[in-house]
Amino acid sequence: DAKTTQPNSMESNEEEPVHLPCNHSTISGTDYIHWYRQLPSQGPEYVIHGLTSNVNNRMASLAIAEDRKSSTLILHRATLRDAAVYYCILCNNAGNMLTFGGGTRLMVKP
Amino acid sequence: EAQVTQNPRYLITVTGKKLTVTCSQNMNHEYMSWYRQDPGLGLRQIYYSMNVEVTDKGDVPEGYKVSRKEKRNFPLILESPSPNQTSLYFCASSLRPLSRAFFGQGTRLTVV
Repeated sequence: DAKTTQPNSMESNEEEPVHLPCNHSTISGTDYIHWYRQLPSQGPEYVIHGLTSNVNNRMASLAIAEDRKSSTLILHRATLRDAAVYYCILCNNAGNMLTFGGGTRLMVKP
Repeated sequence: EAQVTQNPRYLITVTGKKLTVTCSQNMNHEYMSWYRQDPGLGLRQIYYSMNVEVTDKGDVPEGYKVSRKEKRNFPLILESPSPNQTSLYFCASSLRPLSRAFFGQGTRLTVV
């Protein structure tokens, strides 16, 4: 199964942009890149996903490298409520997907 | 409101006493799955279901059973719980495997 690699933790200042990297060098052509985040004491929450092109939604942007071996989740202005563990995962239509790695713990300083 | 509901939220039980954790979704999703979350190991998939009467093993299925008799429900069954099944469990659903997934609030299970 294709796996992802993320830094264990990152720190950001409030109201500054945050770039969360993810490496997925063994990604296959049909794998989608999904990002979820998990706030303390809650279930994971969907953030964004994409296949090849960069994607934007009201929560974040997803920048996907041309070779698709890496991607970056961009939070344009971090708030204290964005402090969470962010997971980058690869999903396919086979069903046995959404296996989460360790994720990146984002800390936001006021 | 679109949601995935798990029950119970907290459960303490003894080794060997059969238990069921229920999961229900109100979004008519075809795909449902169960995960366990342990410190340092992230979330690992236990079982998943592509549709009614279609279930398959995830990464860590040993000691668990599931059933999918109706689209909205996907219970997780522990026939003979053991202490190594003490964990935080999450149920999730999505329209298809590639769609955004909705997660329940979690069930914290302690087996003594």
